[in-house]
Amino acid sequence: EADIYQTPRYLVIGTGKKITLECSQTMGHDKMYWYQQDPGMELHLIHYSYGVNSTEKGDLSSESTVSRIRTEHFPLTLESARPSHTSQYLCASSETGDINQPQHFGDGTRLSIL
Amino acid sequence: QKEVEQDPGPLSVPEGAIVSLNCTYSNSAFQYFMWYRQYSRKGPELLMYTYSSGNKEDGRFTAQVDKSSKYISLFIRDSQPSDSATYLCAMSAGGSYIPTFGRGTSLIVHP
Repeated sequence: EADIYQTPRYLVIGTGKKITLECSQTMGHDKMYWYQQDPGMELHLIHYSYGVNSTEKGDLSSESTVSRIRTEHFPLTLESARPSHTSQYLCASSETGDINQPQHFGDGTRLSIL
Repeated sequence: QKEVEQDPGPLSVPEGAIVSLNCTYSNSAFQYFMWYRQYSRKGPELLMYTYSSGNKEDGRFTAQVDKSSKYISLFIRDSQPSDSATYLCAMSAGGSYIPTFGRGTSLIVHP
């Protein structure tokens, strides 16, 4: 079973607040990812990282930022939350290998912006 | 046209039925194929992971890939109410670590 943890699990907060969603994994995986998931829709990649000090934007512009200072930690920050940011945010990781390795997911943060 | 198509359902079956879940895709470069199960208010959990064409079996689950038809399937034998969840297919090309996901199919197994 994958060991990837997200906090908080649920967050209800007002517009304009700065929010940081935490993601940690204990598997030593190099690669980490953030996805946004709305009900009945595909997962949309927001950011990803292939290692420490490496971050890239995904195909969804979410006005968020990430950092990767330590292998195990990949936090996502929204500088000024808006109602359009209401969604579920999923963090995932995968290991490096000769072939593509599958992603393992945390249980997500369900975010509601009032 | 989306790269990966998956019927969102819901698919409702009686307990004990054989379930067939499917995805079609358009990108012939896809070589790695995954099925995830997602319960309500949880993250996706990896069920099956296959490379290229062929079948892979794990307990009650069988994953099938037909690259010539660009079609993948997940079969669940002797389905149980605990199998009720959303099943997402995902696939990636060689050298790309970022998979493309389907929308997921909602499965309901009723007693």
